[in-house]
Amino acid sequence: AQTVTQSQPEMSVQEAETVTLSCTYDTSESNYYLFWYKQPPSRQMILVIRQEAYKQQNATENRFSVNFQKAAKSFSLKISDSQLGDTAMYFCAFIVKTSYDKVIFGPGTSLSVIP
Amino acid sequence: GAGVSQSPSNKVTEKGKDVELRCDPISGHTALYWYRQSLGQGLEFLIYFQGNSAPDKSGLPSDRFSAERTGGSVSTLTIQRTQQEDSAVYLCASSLSQDYNEQFFGPGTRLTVL
Repeated sequence: AQTVTQSQPEMSVQEAETVTLSCTYDTSESNYYLFWYKQPPSRQMILVIRQEAYKQQNATENRFSVNFQKAAKSFSLKISDSQLGDTAMYFCAFIVKTSYDKVIFGPGTSLSVIP
Repeated sequence: GAGVSQSPSNKVTEKGKDVELRCDPISGHTALYWYRQSLGQGLEFLIYFQGNSAPDKSGLPSDRFSAERTGGSVSTLTIQRTQQEDSAVYLCASSLSQDYNEQFFGPGTRLTVL
């Protein structure tokens, strides 16, 4: 079975500090993509960062970066210089490339940024 | 429009009624996904369309749920004989193609079954 685990249901961080959200996944496929999505209280799901499994270099988008450990099947998200607008649910997901796209989302981590 | 749109934004219905939820993907996006998000929960995959065909219907919870897509564009998710456990936010997402996987999400439809 293909699964995504986010072991931290809730986290909090002081404004301007750094926080890391964990994600582990399980698949026997070799061709897949990993994502972090953010869902603020407005409910709109927004892509934060994307990583191709065949790339060893960790993806970075401004204050957001990932630590991708393929052998360990780990894909953590680091948020630097946390801002109040980062308060949201964060979902880890992956898409397995078979004959069609199989999409699996994790249960989410609720992040609160404290002023 | 510039993004994925869904209608209605909110739907309240009585148990046993049928409901139809609509998704307008971004123009040119060939892949379309439906998800269900129960209160405080993650996303539950329902169905995926590539063009008008649905190669993966494995997430549909029961035979009361069906979906179709016509013209490679608009999709409708139909729930027949709604039950209270169907209450959730139904999210639609589209992506450019199978090979470009970023999904763009709509704002969702909040369904409440009384």
